[in-house]
Amino acid sequence: DAGVTQSPTHLIKTRGQQVTLRCSPKSGHDTVSWYQQALGQGPQFIFQYYEEEERQRGNFPDRFSGHQFPNYSSELNVNALLLGDSALYLCASSIRQGTGELFFGEGSRLTVL
Amino acid sequence: AQSVTQLDSQVPVFEEAPVELRCNYSSSVSVYLFWYVQYPNQGLQLLLKYLSGSTLVKGINGFEAEFNKSQTSFHLRKPSVHISDTAEYFCAVKTTNYGGSQGNLIFGKGTKLSVKP
Repeated sequence: DAGVTQSPTHLIKTRGQQVTLRCSPKSGHDTVSWYQQALGQGPQFIFQYYEEEERQRGNFPDRFSGHQFPNYSSELNVNALLLGDSALYLCASSIRQGTGELFFGEGSRLTVL
Repeated sequence: AQSVTQLDSQVPVFEEAPVELRCNYSSSVSVYLFWYVQYPNQGLQLLLKYLSGSTLVKGINGFEAEFNKSQTSFHLRKPSVHISDTAEYFCAVKTTNYGGSQGNLIFGKGTKLSVKP
């Protein structure tokens, strides 16, 4: 049973560019959440998707957007990249009617130069 | 609003010694509580969780945690640590009033556990 998979694992971009990160949830999970983890910090909630709609959003600008597909996989898009967007981006999946336990992927490490 | 405070940013300890990583939360409603571990360059792995029932929760790798509602704490303990326990540990809280996974997890800033031989 595959867990949460994310791609790419590492990427380097320059300021002003756009990036798309991808996530496949654990089998049987229907909800995907995205977190940003800056160096030395705990994960910060970006948003959560369920039934292809954004259901909750954290305190992130609208440069951060996402999408969920019918197969429950998800994308995180970040436009107009800033140096401060450099971080580990974690995708987590869960079951909508579960207890909120999140299963995390290995993350995508984004470096903005 | 919920918040999580991990009182120690770094905890050095010798191998086979006991360890306690402290976590306090702030919430006006009932919560679910979690501890996650993150090894270098990896994602987060669930250690244990408190949902309801017994306040002493046992997790993987010999870790346990005790929920104390009056002190709003959820400290993580292990009686004898190994070199392989060196990692960063995150405490997280989720309110129960959302129901299901509608609410999101709020994480603390993490505690780096360093086990020395």
